[in-house]
Amino acid sequence: DVVMAQSPVSLPVTLGQPASISCRPSESLVSDDGNTYLNWFHQRPGQSPRRLIYKVSNRESGVPDRFSGSGSGTDFTLNISGVEAEDVGVYYCMQGTHWPPSFGQGTRLEIK
Amino acid sequence: EVRLVESGGGSVQPGGSLRLSCAASGFTFSDYWMHWVRQGPGKGLVWVARIDYDGRHTAYADSVRGRFTISRDNVKNTLSLEMDSLGGDDTAVYYCVRNNWGPDHWGQGTLVTVSS
Repeated sequence: DVVMAQSPVSLPVTLGQPASISCRPSESLVSDDGNTYLNWFHQRPGQSPRRLIYKVSNRESGVPDRFSGSGSGTDFTLNISGVEAEDVGVYYCMQGTHWPPSFGQGTRLEIK
Repeated sequence: EVRLVESGGGSVQPGGSLRLSCAASGFTFSDYWMHWVRQGPGKGLVWVARIDYDGRHTAYADSVRGRFTISRDNVKNTLSLEMDSLGGDDTAVYYCVRNNWGPDHWGQGTLVTVSS
């Protein structure tokens, strides 16, 4: 199974400052169809996960443009250009290229 | 608006069974693969099972294969998860999830607690 290594585990950030989360899968996520099925999710305390990004860099409708995804192969990043209070919670990367789908262990973002 | 509403969770003894349901609305249910994903208390997300458009093809995580059965009813727009031989490791919130280039919409989840 593909292991999704996320870092850091905890991310304290000052309001308005940028933040970056890394996701490194144990093998390339380029699919046979040429797509890379890498998603990013945000889960606020007590809520269901919400997808932010799909196929590496495509933002879901309604997701603020301060969120961006990038990367390729085995190295992916979620960037937040300026953290706001509503961004607290846990962020997960997830791959859908290889069977079975797998999630990273999560990165907890908190406000300093 | 896409809505996924899970039900059927509760407390069950080890070795027991439970059936979860998910009522889907706001989209053409039969156009999408569907998943179940679970989250243990204070833990991360774990994919459990998925089903294709018409229910002909299913797949399971190794940890539940042979004990859980995913199914769907495209007339009633419902997704189900039949869970047998439950153990403590199955204690989790279970989410019904729509697949669209990966999981896009998630239900609110239903809690399953396995305890004697």
